[in-house]
Amino acid sequence: DAKTTQPPSMDCAEGRAANLPCNHSTISGNEYVYWYRQIHSQGPQYIIHGLKNNETNEMASLIITEDRKSSTLILPHATLRDTAVYYCIVRAGGTSYGKLTFGQGTILTVHP
Amino acid sequence: DAGVTQSPTHLIKTRGQQVTLRCSPKSGHDTVSWYQQALGQGPQFIFQYYEEEERQRGNFPDRFSGHQFPNYSSELNVNALLLGDSALYLCASSLGGPTSPLHFGNGTRLTVT
Repeated sequence: DAKTTQPPSMDCAEGRAANLPCNHSTISGNEYVYWYRQIHSQGPQYIIHGLKNNETNEMASLIITEDRKSSTLILPHATLRDTAVYYCIVRAGGTSYGKLTFGQGTILTVHP
Repeated sequence: DAGVTQSPTHLIKTRGQQVTLRCSPKSGHDTVSWYQQALGQGPQFIFQYYEEEERQRGNFPDRFSGHQFPNYSSELNVNALLLGDSALYLCASSLGGPTSPLHFGNGTRLTVT
């Protein structure tokens, strides 16, 4: 699976949009971009995933660049409960089955 | 609709002992994966079970073994416990497809003394 690079930490004011970047310059054509977050003492929570088109759900939006070498997770109106570690993961669509390769992630802190 | 449930939530064992952790997948899911998360690190893939067989395995020794039952629930067994096995053990379930999102439980915190 392709390796991802994320900033170790980011801050965001409550009510503002949080934009979390991820670099995956070695991504292959059949690899998807997944985002998970982990709040302290809980298991990782699935947020969103995409292949090449931008995606939106009730939690967030995922913007993938045209060359697919980077992406941005957008939390449109961050709340204090969005404080967590956010993981960007590239996952093969073929025989990777359940395997997710987690990096160090980005610690997002939302301030009042 | 219950999500992924794991038991026990916390466990303390002594070096050399054996431990069994349990997982019930989210309703409708048929695939179970196990991850180990050391303090301050991201989760590391141990293995995945589908149709009661181990389908893929990460870089973990044979001391780590598992089982999946006909009702899709799963167990993780660790033999000859080492201090380094102290970690949060996470179970994740999904449908069998290669891009189906994994849904995680809140884990079992294992402490080996």
